[in-house]
Amino acid sequence: TQLLEQSPQFLSIQEGENLTVYCNSSSVFSSLQWYRQEPGEGPVLLVTVVTGGEVKKLKRLTFQFGDARKDSSLHITAAQPGDTGLYLCAYRYNTDKLIFGTGTRLQVFP
Amino acid sequence: DAGITQSPRHKVTETGTPVTLRCHQTENHRYMYWYRQDPGHGLRLIHYSYGVKDTDKGEVSDGYSVSRSKTEDFLLTLESATSSQTSVYFCAISNTGSNEQFFGPGTRLTVL
Repeated sequence: TQLLEQSPQFLSIQEGENLTVYCNSSSVFSSLQWYRQEPGEGPVLLVTVVTGGEVKKLKRLTFQFGDARKDSSLHITAAQPGDTGLYLCAYRYNTDKLIFGTGTRLQVFP
Repeated sequence: DAGITQSPRHKVTETGTPVTLRCHQTENHRYMYWYRQDPGHGLRLIHYSYGVKDTDKGEVSDGYSVSRSKTEDFLLTLESATSSQTSVYFCAISNTGSNEQFFGPGTRLTVL
């Protein structure tokens, strides 16, 4: 099982600021998924990136898969309190299983 | 939202007692999973099922057992709970395995 390291572990910002969180590994992945978990709830899939260099946008969220498919980033523009939560990346270990990263906990203050 | 419920939602128990957590789905999904979530560790897979009576171990299976006697229910049992099993437990379901998983609301378990 390869380790997925996410950074930073914690991030507290003011509403309106921009931020980037990272998901890194030494291994090459066929795809990476990003989930968001709001307080008191289970994670929800945001996006899957498949192709090296791929960029996907979901409103104010921009996801990028590294060219070498070893890392991924999530950029949030003009963060809002509703973006508060735990952001998790995950890779497909095989057709049955996902392996999750350690997570980045984001707090956006009004 | 996928129809997944977990019961109980909160439980406090004592070391050495058996505990069973239940995951129930109404989506007829093939795969069901049990994860635990602890600070600094993200989500770690305990056990999963790829069909009725078909189960396999995850990363942190020691001290846990599972059973799936029908498509809609997946039970997680701690035979003799320990304080290290204090955690939040999430059930997930999927029709495609690792392409996308849908998570339940979680069960917070405290072992004193």
